Amino acid sequence: DAGVIQSPRHEVTEMGQEVTLRCKPISGHDYLFWYRQTMMRGLELLIYFNNNVPIDDSGMPEDRFSAKMPNASFSTLKIQPSEPRDSAVYFCASSRLAFGDTQYFGPGTRLTVL
Amino acid sequence: QKEVEQNSGPLSVPEGAIASLNCTYSDRGSQSFFWYRQYSGKSPELIMFIYSNGDKEDGRFTAQLNKASQYVSLLIRDSQPSDSATYLCAGSGNQFYFGTGTSLTVIP
Repeated sequence: DAGVIQSPRHEVTEMGQEVTLRCKPISGHDYLFWYRQTMMRGLELLIYFNNNVPIDDSGMPEDRFSAKMPNASFSTLKIQPSEPRDSAVYFCASSRLAFGDTQYFGPGTRLTVL
Repeated sequence: QKEVEQNSGPLSVPEGAIASLNCTYSDRGSQSFFWYRQYSGKSPELIMFIYSNGDKEDGRFTAQLNKASQYVSLLIRDSQPSDSATYLCAGSGNQFYFGTGTSLTVIP
C-alpha cells in the first residue's frame, strides 16, 4: 500500500488567500484525521471523519477552517482566508478503527502564510 | 492541564545506554497508549502500543504502563545514534491526545 498521501508537500501563500490541503487515506481505513503541528502547541487534532462523515470538529480553530470528505479516498482541509498564525505542518492520518487503533500519518503539508 | 504530559527534554544519552522516556496522563478513561517517533521534518511513525498494565517488549524497545499511577514509559536499550528523534506519547479513550514530545539525542 502507498500509505497516506498528502498534497502539496509545501505551500507558501500570502495572507488572505485560500489554501486547500488534500489527503488520500490508506484504502480500507474508515477513519481519517487532520492534525496541525507547531513548535508551541505540538500535535493538535483538528477534525476526524468516520466513513466520510465528520464526527468531531471541535479542534477546528475557527470558521476560517473547513474540511470535507466527499468519498472514502479523498479529503480536503481548506483555510479561507489564511493568516500568518496558520503557518504550521498539517498532517492527515488514517486508521481502520477509532482511537484505540494505530493511526498512520501522511508526510504532511508545510504551510507558510506570509 | 494537558491530557498527556511529557518532559520536553532534550534528553541526551551515550550510544549503547538505556534511554528512558516518560509520560503521564490525566484521563483515567484512556484505554490505549502509543509511542510514536518523529524525525526532524518527517511525520510521526508508530513504535509501540500498549493496552494492559505491565511491560511490553519489542526488540530494543519496552513500553511500560501503570494505570494506577497514570504513567506510561518507553525504554530504549542499546541506544543508537539513529534513535535520535522526538518521541511522542499518545493516549486514547474517547479522544486521541498527543503529548508535546521528548527530544532524544544519542551521542556516538
